[in-house]
Amino acid sequence: EVQLVESGGGLVQPGGPLRLSCATSGFTFNSYWMHWVRQGPGKGLVWVSRVSGDGRSTSYAESVKGRFTISRDNAKNTLYLQMNSLRDEDTAVYYCARGVRGSYGTDYWGQGTLVTVSS
Amino acid sequence: QTVVTQEPSLTVSPGGTVTLTCASNTGAVTSDYYPNWFQQKPGQAPRALIYSTNNKHSWTPARFSGSLLGGKAALTLSGVQPEDEADYYCMLFYGGVLRWEFGGGTKLTVL
Repeated sequence: EVQLVESGGGLVQPGGPLRLSCATSGFTFNSYWMHWVRQGPGKGLVWVSRVSGDGRSTSYAESVKGRFTISRDNAKNTLYLQMNSLRDEDTAVYYCARGVRGSYGTDYWGQGTLVTVSS
Repeated sequence: QTVVTQEPSLTVSPGGTVTLTCASNTGAVTSDYYPNWFQQKPGQAPRALIYSTNNKHSWTPARFSGSLLGGKAALTLSGVQPEDEADYYCMLFYGGVLRWEFGGGTKLTVL
């Protein structure tokens, strides 16, 4: 059974850092691209970032480029999102999602972790 | 700035058929955008329904189908059930910059 479990969310002050983790199981982790998607309170989904299976290729939404870093540890089957210089507008539930092999979409999603940026 | 547009809301009667659409301000949506569709119910994580325009995941009910229609991606629900009431999001892939964009979502009411 494929499982994705996010952790690391919480309350952080503006300008501060936070690192999210997504522990996975039930599939060959290094064979799949992985994504982060967020959803602000009462708002829609926003794609944040994606990393290739070997971790060498990454891409980011303009709103987070230069502040967020996506990475993965294939030995630990875990995806990360390092978030720096956090802003109020980064407040959201952050989901990790698995990419569809051979295509450009996502299939399995985690339940999300809430990040609140506030002083 | 890339903008993906969906109908903000739609209403359908139980047993009816409804089509949701997804447009890009960059031009006509084609299969090269690999349209994906997701369903989200209140308090739940999104659930993937369709990938690459018209491919269903193993868990996707048969009444959901994806297509391209008039320069847009489309999601059609046939024989709508009360449990289909939810928010639906499309996601498009922009290969030139290796980024993805979600539409603003369609709130589907079954009434």
